[in-house]
Amino acid sequence: DTAVSQTPKYLVTQMGNDKSIKCEQNLGHDTMYWYKQDSKKFLKIMFSYNNKELIINETVPNRFSPKSPDKAHLNLHINSLELGDSAVYFCASSLTTTTGELFFGEGSRLTVL
Amino acid sequence: DQQVKQNSPSLSVQEGRISILNCDYTNSMFDYFLWYKKYPAEGPTFLISISSIKDKNEDGRFTVFLNKSAKHLSLHIVPSQPGDSAVYFCAARSSGTYKYIFGTGTRLKVLA
Repeated sequence: DTAVSQTPKYLVTQMGNDKSIKCEQNLGHDTMYWYKQDSKKFLKIMFSYNNKELIINETVPNRFSPKSPDKAHLNLHINSLELGDSAVYFCASSLTTTTGELFFGEGSRLTVL
Repeated sequence: DQQVKQNSPSLSVQEGRISILNCDYTNSMFDYFLWYKKYPAEGPTFLISISSIKDKNEDGRFTVFLNKSAKHLSLHIVPSQPGDSAVYFCAARSSGTYKYIFGTGTRLKVLA
């Protein structure tokens, strides 16, 4: 039973399209995150939610919009996809905002053509 | 500005020997550090952590050392096994913040 699951695992789409990636955790954690791993392999935080409340919003284009319908789910919607959005997007969760390590999903590889 | 740096992109070690992976940081406010292991096409998996109040933490074959004055931490794997071949990331966080800053990773290859 996967602790942090993301769908889809692979996504290939055209520039200008809109796409979503979904994430669910069954660990009972309060805090969820989206990280982006680019071609240089940097793992950079994008967003974090704690109990459905946005607490981290890094310098990310506003084409990216996270949504947390409940504390077990954190989705990422991307509008008007650009070539530079191609990356692996990782969802993660932690027990609280300040305790516990991050548990990561398997990643969603987005390729924009 | 990369606050957490792993200057060795890759490392090869013979099976049974010690693997030492290094990580440097610049932010003196960091007080909690973690190491993650990542296999291809999988998410990073937590390995071991250390708080800034300690200088060593051990868990089985894995030991993390923290040198606060040098702003340096290292992960020792003894003995190394072929299954340890993966990319290793260190991450750091400062108290009162909610985000971990990751290094760029070191690819470890353990040769049988």
